[in-house]
Amino acid sequence: DGGITQSPKYLFRKEGQNVTLSCEQNLNHDAMYWYRQDPGQGLRLIYYSQIVNDFQKGDIAEGYSVSREKKESFPLTVTSAQKNPTAFYLCASSINPTGLNTEAFFGQGTRLTVV
Amino acid sequence: QQPVQSPQAVILREGEDAVINCSSSKALYSVHWYRQKHGEAPVFLMILLKGGEQKGHDKISASFNEKKQQSSLYLTASQLSYSGTYFCGTEIKAAGNKLTFGGGTRVLVKP
Repeated sequence: DGGITQSPKYLFRKEGQNVTLSCEQNLNHDAMYWYRQDPGQGLRLIYYSQIVNDFQKGDIAEGYSVSREKKESFPLTVTSAQKNPTAFYLCASSINPTGLNTEAFFGQGTRLTVV
Repeated sequence: QQPVQSPQAVILREGEDAVINCSSSKALYSVHWYRQKHGEAPVFLMILLKGGEQKGHDKISASFNEKKQQSSLYLTASQLSYSGTYFCGTEIKAAGNKLTFGGGTRVLVKP
């Protein structure tokens, strides 16, 4: 079955530590995205990637980093520079890298809590 | 660059109708609509690609006014299963494949 998988589902981090959230897709999609969702809030774009070895900052990239070494993988690192990292993180992918408007498929999310 | 949604929340009785609006300050390539149930991933409803386009999914439909840079989602004869948070996502003409979302509209359908 094709899909997009995020792991882990729940993650706890101590203050001052970096943590990496995994996102893998086997849909052969070119574009991948990371969003942050706070309780009762919308989805805010952190980073997105249209193609392997290339990515762009979204609206709230500070304190985060990504890599796109493989088409199917787009891990997100939440660094210690992110002052308020507790949130629900969603990864998504879409087939088309050229801005021609195809639906985004979402993973089930990772809930990160700083303790 | 994030689109603005209104209202923020709506409460309906089963069978009632509702409209959710989404507007952008930038020229749009497309508008997406998604629904998210609590604690779950957003699920795609529909995408509108051309000005004036309208699409439907069951009794949920949407329109796109490209000139006004606005889209509206119509919930007709609402069912309990329509409860959730609805998000519009927009792709802006000047920003390539960057999909950004509004703040969401929480919909609660009561029996």
